[in-house]
Amino acid sequence: DQQVKQNSPSLSVQEGRISILNCDYTNSMFDYFLWYKKYPAEGPTFLISISSIKDKNEDGRFTVFLNKSAKHLSLHIVPSQPGDSAVYFCAASAGGGGADGLTFGKGTHLIIQP
Amino acid sequence: NAGVTQTPKFQVLKTGQSMTLQCAQDMNHEYMSWYRQDPGMGLRLIHYSVGAGITDQGEVPNGYNVSRSTTEDFPLRLLSAAPSQTSVYFCASSYSLDRALSPLHFGNGTRLTVT
Repeated sequence: DQQVKQNSPSLSVQEGRISILNCDYTNSMFDYFLWYKKYPAEGPTFLISISSIKDKNEDGRFTVFLNKSAKHLSLHIVPSQPGDSAVYFCAASAGGGGADGLTFGKGTHLIIQP
Repeated sequence: NAGVTQTPKFQVLKTGQSMTLQCAQDMNHEYMSWYRQDPGMGLRLIHYSVGAGITDQGEVPNGYNVSRSTTEDFPLRLLSAAPSQTSVYFCASSYSLDRALSPLHFGNGTRLTVT
């Protein structure tokens, strides 16, 4: 059973508009959430994260929102740029420590249309 | 550039062959790990290490061995390759176990095909 779900395999957005990528989780023990971005033939790179004690974290064009009661988080990219075209993975960890790794979603392929 | 280096980038094996996927990092990170990514699935943890001489199993360890003799290197061994091990393998490292302090840094992956 998937503990981190990204239900949209792909998303197409026009350049300049807002991209919203969604992620749901089932494990109540998750207390830290991260978004990774992946280009073809490269490894994932860290984008932004949020602790469960917050409901929003912002870094430039990227904002992550966390709704703990709904077990839902979203990544907003404003404005969307062509270089944002990539696969985005939502990931979660439990208990603060990450020795046993992150639990990843399946990813959402974001395509920015010119 | 500093970071996580994986070799080879591509590899084709026949069923039953063995091989070692290499991973090296030059950031003096204590924590290293191996993930596999299969089509339509997220990354899944195979093995990890919290320091030289210490390794442990992740979510999908069967068919793989690891060792950590130095801080820099964390090779992944396939003892007898099976078609189910066809995947893209990523090595990752971080200086802390606390994900709030230290996100994982990933290598560029090894694409393995077992025929």
